[in-house]
Amino acid sequence: DIVMTQAPLSSPVTLGQPASISCRSSQSLVHSDGNTYLSWLQQRPGQPPRLLIYKISNRFSGVPDRFSGSGAGTDFTLKISRVEAEDVGVYYCMQATQSPITFGQGTRLEIK
Amino acid sequence: EVQLVESGGDLVQPGESLRLSCAASGFTFSTYSMHWVRQVPGKGLVCVSQINRDGSFIRYADAVKGRFTISRDNAKNTLYLQMNSLRVEDTALYYCVRGTTGWAGVDVWGQGTTVTVSS
Repeated sequence: DIVMTQAPLSSPVTLGQPASISCRSSQSLVHSDGNTYLSWLQQRPGQPPRLLIYKISNRFSGVPDRFSGSGAGTDFTLKISRVEAEDVGVYYCMQATQSPITFGQGTRLEIK
Repeated sequence: EVQLVESGGDLVQPGESLRLSCAASGFTFSTYSMHWVRQVPGKGLVCVSQINRDGSFIRYADAVKGRFTISRDNAKNTLYLQMNSLRVEDTALYYCVRGTTGWAGVDVWGQGTTVTVSS
């Protein structure tokens, strides 16, 4: 199985300031069809995970444009341009290039 | 509205069985692959099983292989997870999750159902 490793595991951020989360995979996430199936999920306290970003950089329906994704191969980044109070929660990267889907261990975003 | 509603979670003793159900609505269930993903409280996410649209491809995590069985009834728009020989380490919140079409991934999550295995 592909192992996903996130950093940092905890990120205290000031409201209005940017935040960045890294994710590294144990092998390339480039699929044989040429796509890279790396997603980012947000889990707010007491809620199920919610899809934010798919295929590295595509925002899912209803996701604010302050969220952006980038990267290639084995290294990926989620950025929040200006953190808002509602962004508090745990963020997971997830790969679906190879079955089974696997997740990073999560990064807890908290407000300073 | 696309919805996934899980049920069947309970408190059971080690060695007992449970059957989880996931009722899907708001989309054409038979055209989507489905997953069961579990989360130990305060911990991360693990996909325990997946099934393709017609049930011809099924996969299990090593930790549940031989004990859990995933199935689906497309006529009833329902996904199932039969859990036998439950262990303390199976204690978790179990989510029903929809696979995507057009690109590989998952997009819709249910609220989850809690399974607690304890003596």
